[in-house]
Amino acid sequence: KAGVTQTPRYLIKTRGQQVTLSCSPISGHRSVSWYQQTPGQGLQFLFEYFSETQRNKGNFPGRFSGRQFSNSRSEMNVSTLELGDSALYLCASSLVIGQGASGYTFGSGTRLTVV
Amino acid sequence: QQQVKQSPQSLIVQKGGISIINCAYENTAFDYFPWYQQFPGKGPALLIAIRPDVSEKKEGRFTISFNKSAKQFSLHIMDSQPGDSATYFCAATTNNAGNMLTFGGGTRLMVKP
Repeated sequence: KAGVTQTPRYLIKTRGQQVTLSCSPISGHRSVSWYQQTPGQGLQFLFEYFSETQRNKGNFPGRFSGRQFSNSRSEMNVSTLELGDSALYLCASSLVIGQGASGYTFGSGTRLTVV
Repeated sequence: QQQVKQSPQSLIVQKGGISIINCAYENTAFDYFPWYQQFPGKGPALLIAIRPDVSEKKEGRFTISFNKSAKQFSLHIMDSQPGDSATYFCAATTNNAGNMLTFGGGTRLMVKP
């Protein structure tokens, strides 16, 4: 079966712009989470959605937002981009929520570069 | 605040050797401890996981040892192979945190032929 699909794979944006990243979860998965991966900070949790509702949010500024659609696909948006937002953004999906991420499957990520 | 500390940051092991990666956590509410393996250009993939009611879990060449009183857990890779060369992350979560994971800083493993 198809895995978690993230688009685009690579993105270059200019400081001050905004960007939208997309994630299509595994068919049937209703929970989608987003993580930011950088060499300095490692993997950090951004937010999690289940049935179109944000269930958890990490410690990121309000410039980072997300949403989930009725078909479980999710998007995350970063406004007023800063150089420090350059990172690999990873999406993970699972069938259910609250079981310790035992069914987590990650996508290959979107590499965002802010210049 | 880094709640999961991972060491070493990098590790070089000869083929056939044992790779050992250690993690320590602070939050005693954590009740699920997975390990992820990440290859360049790919997302992390679940390798093996343990809950605190057992002290050890083995799957093939991969073993997790868990010490609840010390709040530490470790990954052992037996008979390490060049194909195991990747970055390994420990993580932790609580049952009431949804699927939110707190990751360690990662260990870059290189297995020399």
